[in-house]
Amino acid sequence: DTAVSQTPKYLVTQMGNDKSIKCEQNLGHDTMYWYKQDSKKFLKIMFSYNNKELIINETVPNRFSPKSPDKAHLNLHINSLELGDSAVYFCASSQDFTGEEGEKLFFGSGTQLSVL
Amino acid sequence: QQQVKQSPQSLIVQKGGISIINCAYENTAFDYFPWYQQFPGKGPALLIAIRPDVSEKKEGRFTISFNKSAKQFSLHIMDSQPGDSATYFCAATPNDGQNFVFGPGTRLSVLP
Repeated sequence: DTAVSQTPKYLVTQMGNDKSIKCEQNLGHDTMYWYKQDSKKFLKIMFSYNNKELIINETVPNRFSPKSPDKAHLNLHINSLELGDSAVYFCASSQDFTGEEGEKLFFGSGTQLSVL
Repeated sequence: QQQVKQSPQSLIVQKGGISIINCAYENTAFDYFPWYQQFPGKGPALLIAIRPDVSEKKEGRFTISFNKSAKQFSLHIMDSQPGDSATYFCAATPNDGQNFVFGPGTRLSVLP
């Protein structure tokens, strides 16, 4: 009964490949996010979806495309993987951001992506 | 303006000591300041948070001190334990609660 689950936990792939990371939350939250954590542990937001609508789209290459089939799922598809994409990618969710609970981010356990 | 600065980058404390991590921000629109704790191989988890209308918040051994005029806030861990060894992130968000901005993190090691 994990709150925010993402798969796979580890992803090792060759440069130029296309890969997807899946995320699901069972908290009933309205907002989901993708964060990238680089080798120096710096956490940076990539995308934010609220009720399947894109809210935040930070400066991220077009090769990254989020897809939200419903408000419990937010998948990340990456085309033409590059060496610099190697990082840990975290999915997160929060309740409707207008409320008190909106400020609590619940993170998944991360996907370690290694591009060779 | 969107940055949150955090120091030190790493911290080593003896068991039973006090760990102090400092953060500073510029954006006056920020009005919620959480701290997240991350263990190796796990996602960050909310530890404690504060709003700028109070100067201090305490939960168990963890205390946030907030200085609104200086735009600074800090995390104090009293009686630090080896189990507290983790990376700590301060963060800030404006009142729409959407765009969390994280500090660069502090790696805390508590020696037994």
